[in-house]
Amino acid sequence: DTGVSQNPRHKITKRGQNVTFRCDPISEHNRLYWYRQTLGQGPEFLTYFQNEAQLEKSRLLSDRFSAERPKGSFSTLEIQRTEQGDSAMYLCASSLVAGGTFGSGTRLTVV
Amino acid sequence: TQLLEQSPQFLSIQEGENLTVYCNSSSVFSSLQWYRQEPGEGPVLLVTVVTGGEVKKLKRLTFQFGDARKDSSLHITAAQPGDTGLYLCAGPQAGNKLTFGGGTRVLVKP
Repeated sequence: DTGVSQNPRHKITKRGQNVTFRCDPISEHNRLYWYRQTLGQGPEFLTYFQNEAQLEKSRLLSDRFSAERPKGSFSTLEIQRTEQGDSAMYLCASSLVAGGTFGSGTRLTVV
Repeated sequence: TQLLEQSPQFLSIQEGENLTVYCNSSSVFSSLQWYRQEPGEGPVLLVTVVTGGEVKKLKRLTFQFGDARKDSSLHITAAQPGDTGLYLCAGPQAGNKLTFGGGTRVLVKP
């Protein structure tokens, strides 16, 4: 069990560019969650998958955001046409039941 | 969505002092979890409390779940610099996604 792995750890991008983050969950976990955390705040829920099905999306997830989990394994979160307000830590968590194990996150900075 | 409020937002204490962090809601939660997060890392689960009135101890950390399951507290005895971090409470919503409080940043000075 290597835990939840997120890549990259840090990403700096220019406004208007697209970015994609990857999350590799704990292998036996069927649920995968994405959260966003801004400085000094608690994480906020974005979306979650059970196996390959995306079951819920927060209203925080604008049309510029899309998430996938092909084959119910790893997941990707893509942000198109990034804006400065997208700068945040993007956290992935996986679980079998409530809560979950979090990855170390991807810190996105949009300049 | 059920909301969680944490207080205080920031605590700065000297090594050896005690501290308490509070997590409150107007809604009932089936359980509450406490996490600690260090800069640049994801939250790490400390404990889950499930039963109203439950008290759990983890070394110098004591967690309590309110009788009505609307609030929780974290008490640290004889804090050490290694206790420094962001403490988060969280409760499950439908689909077992978590709602987090705003966090309490704890700084323990040597």
